[in-house]
Amino acid sequence: GAVVSQHPSWVICKSGTSVKIECRSLDFQATTMFWYRQFPKQSLMLMATSNEGSKATYEQGVEKDKFLINHASLTLSTLTVTSAHPEDSSFYICSAQTTSIYTGELFFGEGSRLTVL
Amino acid sequence: GNSVTQMEGPVTLSEEAFLTINCTYTATGYPSLFWYVQYPGEGLQLLLKATKADDKGSNKGFEATYRKETTSFHLEKGSVQVSDSAVYFCALLPYSGAGSYQLTFGKGTKLSVIP
Repeated sequence: GAVVSQHPSWVICKSGTSVKIECRSLDFQATTMFWYRQFPKQSLMLMATSNEGSKATYEQGVEKDKFLINHASLTLSTLTVTSAHPEDSSFYICSAQTTSIYTGELFFGEGSRLTVL
Repeated sequence: GNSVTQMEGPVTLSEEAFLTINCTYTATGYPSLFWYVQYPGEGLQLLLKATKADDKGSNKGFEATYRKETTSFHLEKGSVQVSDSAVYFCALLPYSGAGSYQLTFGKGTKLSVIP
């Protein structure tokens, strides 16, 4: 099946620094990628929808200047958490939709756990 | 708006026990319904899906039937194994002629199966 890879899996950073998380579709082209945030014991919260070559669409309440999303190619989207603070510590997951006929299926990355000290 | 409600966990079962994880939804129109599974340390992966009323999705011994009259999509397995220990998410994809791919997830139910 389709594979989506995230990197890094774990990252620890100091407060005030920026962290970049990559999401790659390894064996298919993804015109649309989604970024989610998962809080402990809670569901996935959609942060933004990323379309290749255009600006991301952010969900209400998500700061677009803090969570920068770039989808420069059909196989790569990046999420940059700028000036990270401890409250940004979370599990971030990306997913990708293939360019083929819509099947309703999304392929998820392994997730990236961010800890801000 | 759209929403998905799952039974709260954690659920702990002995091996070979019968599993039911309840899921109900609220949505307009005819959404597609999914169950995703997240094994420890891994990302989510699709377990099964159903795209219209009365459809039954099945995979790896798990099954769920899309019940429009009760707005439910309960996950069942007749005999669980230790390897089924994971977090299970029910999800909804609202119908959109424009092709919306934004899933709404339930909070997840953690299943632990003990030998």
